[in-house]
Amino acid sequence: GQQVMQIPQYQHVQEGEDFTTYCNSSTTLSNIQWYKQRPGGHPVFLIQLVKSGEVKKQKRLTFQFGEAKKNSSLHITATQTTDVGTYFCAGDTGFQKLVFGTGTRLLVSP
Amino acid sequence: DAGVIQSPRHEVTEMGQEVTLRCKPISGHDYLFWYRQTMMRGLELLIYFNNNVPIDDSGMPEDRFSAKMPNASFSTLKIQPSEPRDSAVYFCASSSGQVQWLARYEQYFGPGTRLTVT
Repeated sequence: GQQVMQIPQYQHVQEGEDFTTYCNSSTTLSNIQWYKQRPGGHPVFLIQLVKSGEVKKQKRLTFQFGEAKKNSSLHITATQTTDVGTYFCAGDTGFQKLVFGTGTRLLVSP
Repeated sequence: DAGVIQSPRHEVTEMGQEVTLRCKPISGHDYLFWYRQTMMRGLELLIYFNNNVPIDDSGMPEDRFSAKMPNASFSTLKIQPSEPRDSAVYFCASSSGQVQWLARYEQYFGPGTRLTVT
């Protein structure tokens, strides 16, 4: 079954509001990757985190990897309509292949 | 580079028919992955190849599914016979890297094939 869960499944925000999606694994992850999939599109790589407690920023996006390497989060500050899409985390649960999370669908209203 | 290329982009077929999906990975990438995406099950890894050799097919749902990679620039995913529950978007992705760190390499996804089985 699915080992990497994300919450919330769906969030609708007004443009300018912040957004956070959380990724939780039942097992320790050796790394975490984040992907974005626009409506009707394909997943596109955003970033990778490897170290416990690691924090990385890409403009308005902040990515964190938990101290226990079982969870991660993606925070978007001041959302824009271009942020619309589904955000997936993906991690290696110990079998040298990525397991994708359930995804969080973000809708941004102008 | 043109990125990962998949064909067809859309396929509508009747139950019982054979379906073949095609993928051309990014030149120089030695790993190729086939994924299936549905609302119910999310993004699932079906099989992946390294240097044209199938490494892990544990995600292939059943014997009706088969995948081949005859050379470094071409792979197929075949469903025979197809069933309505096979309706999904099928993605091909490619990456490069060392096997022990495979999950640490960015995967490049193709545009996908939307399959509808009626």
